Amino acid sequence: SQQGEEDPQALSIQEGENATMNCSYKTSINNLQWYRQNSGRGLVHLILIRSNEREKHSGRLRVTLDTSKKSSSLLITASRAADTASYFCATVLLQGGSEKLVFGKGMKLTVNP
Amino acid sequence: EAQVTQNPRYLITVTGKKLTVTCSQNMNHEYMSWYRQDPGLGLRQIYYSMNVEVTDKGDVPEGYKVSRKEKRNFPLILESPSPNQTSLYFCASTRTGRLATLGYGYTFGSGTRLTVV
Repeated sequence: SQQGEEDPQALSIQEGENATMNCSYKTSINNLQWYRQNSGRGLVHLILIRSNEREKHSGRLRVTLDTSKKSSSLLITASRAADTASYFCATVLLQGGSEKLVFGKGMKLTVNP
Repeated sequence: EAQVTQNPRYLITVTGKKLTVTCSQNMNHEYMSWYRQDPGLGLRQIYYSMNVEVTDKGDVPEGYKVSRKEKRNFPLILESPSPNQTSLYFCASTRTGRLATLGYGYTFGSGTRLTVV
């Protein structure tokens, strides 16, 4: 039951460039989250944006949300080799009275030094 | 330090030998969840718990059991492991099960790489 889908699936850039990742989702949301996963490690929560917000910043991260298009984007500015990781968007799926966080399949970002 | 602790980090076992993967959080979180991550399939939820003594099935519960006797602990039990349960497992927790309305981020453990031969 996938809710979000990241695009592109893989991105390779040079250090110092900006990286933009997109996430499209299917149903209405209250909030959308982005996570980072370094190879084989646990996911790390980056940022949460609520449905009444259009843009949010955290350090070099900028997240936008367009609820009319059911999409979000994550921009990493001035990328570093340490940003090499997989990035996931996640939204809440309401199902039979329960709520669960559903992750997209992820997007692999490679930042070359 | 606020964290979710999973053990073991790596485990190789044989088919049919019962095992338990432990998960403990020190943030007084109400909501805890187990995921498995497989190439091409992403993260899939196995079980979740809204609070003590409240657990429910996720998307792929077959072959797994959980319990939530205390708020901090949420062990994952494989009664009779099979090779198709070879995977990377993650435990995660968040402040509340009201994910849509209150929406806090999840804290993940470092993962358990399980191989069943």
